[in-house]
Order: sequence, then structure tokens, then C-alpha cells
Amino acid sequence: AQKITQTQPGMFVQEKEAVTLDCTYDTSDPSYGLFWYKQPSSGEMIFLIYQGSYDQQNATEGRYSLNFQKARKSANLVISASQLGDSAMYFCAMREGNRDDKIIFGKGTRLHILP
Amino acid sequence: ETGVTQTPRHLVMGMTNKKSLKCEQHLGHNAMYWYKQSAKKPLELMFVYNFKEQTENNSVPSRFSPECPNSSHLFLHLHTLQPEDSALYLCASSQEIGDGYTFGSGTRLTVV
Repeated sequence: AQKITQTQPGMFVQEKEAVTLDCTYDTSDPSYGLFWYKQPSSGEMIFLIYQGSYDQQNATEGRYSLNFQKARKSANLVISASQLGDSAMYFCAMREGNRDDKIIFGKGTRLHILP
Repeated sequence: ETGVTQTPRHLVMGMTNKKSLKCEQHLGHNAMYWYKQSAKKPLELMFVYNFKEQTENNSVPSRFSPECPNSSHLFLHLHTLQPEDSALYLCASSQEIGDGYTFGSGTRLTVV
């Protein structure tokens, strides 16, 4: 069974609009971490934001925020005021259990920002 | 630059060739990883090294052979690959296993 599900293979959004990229996860472990990464066409993976399962507040980093809905096992990434440079693949990822566990990635969502 | 450097950026090799991918990080991280990214598939973890010791081999065929001579360098030796091995190979490092990763830019491998 997939641990990380990203249901949107591709999205087209007008520049300056807000974007929500969906991510749901599956784990029975009460302790876990959730990550979002951006992969531009250059190939490198850029860490964007992190949410711990026990964090009370939704994580925010500049224009990025994580809409963490624990009961729904949902960790959507919200990008406010999108820019052309936001066009990229976006990966949701999860670390289960303690810090010794590896990180599992979803299939990704390709985001296209239109001028 | 992210702090994790991968060379070469692009590689085309025949099925009988032997080549190596190199990954280098000077972030002081203790864990290093090789991932394979194929089109339309999730990132696939291949190998994990923690303090130079291999801690995970994710059922990777023996035509892929990793080497970690020290905590800053990680190699992936390739021999007798198949066309389906064509993919983007990403190296990553983290302070400890399970921490957020820093990725390199990847090596785009094409097997002909």
C-alpha cells in the first residue's frame, strides 16, 4: 500500500494565485514527520517545509505553509502568491517512527505557473 | 549549489560499459543516500550509508555497487546496465538518518 499519495500528477495555475498541492499519508505510528520538496528542471531536490506529528501549529516558511490535518492524514502544501519560478515538481515525503527511519516519497505533482 | 555535488550531470553508457557516479558533501552530515528517480514513479531508495557503513540495500540488483570511502564521499559503480536503468540518480545526505535531506542535482543516466 502506498504510504504517501499525491493525487494531482499535474496542475496549471495562473501567476499570483495561491496553490494547494495535495498529500495524504498512511501510518499507524503516532510519531512521524512530513516534508515537502521542490524539484526544478535542473534536477536538484530543494527542501521546503517540515511538519512534525506532534506540532500544534501548521508549519510556515515564507510563502509556503503546510495545512496539516492530522485526523484526515492530510498534509497539503499551500503556496501563496505563486511565481513563475515556482514551476517544478513537488514531492511530499514522510518519515515514520523515530529518527532512524528513512524518508518515503510520493510520486510528485508537476506544477506549471502560467504568466 | 546545495552543498551536495554530483558528477557527472549527464552520462550515456552502453550496456557493456563500466562507469561510476560520484557524490560529495561537505556539510558534516553522517548519512548519505542513493535514490533512483524514473519517470512516473516515486523516488526509489537504493542504498543508505550511516557513518560510512551500509545500513540498507533496498533489493538493488548487483549491477549497481555502492562505495562509501569516507563520510563525505559516496560512489555508485555501474556495470552491465540495462536500458530500464536509465533514470535520474540522486544523492542525498542528512545529519542523521531520518533528518531532512539535502539533495544533489542528480546524474541523468541513459543506457543505450
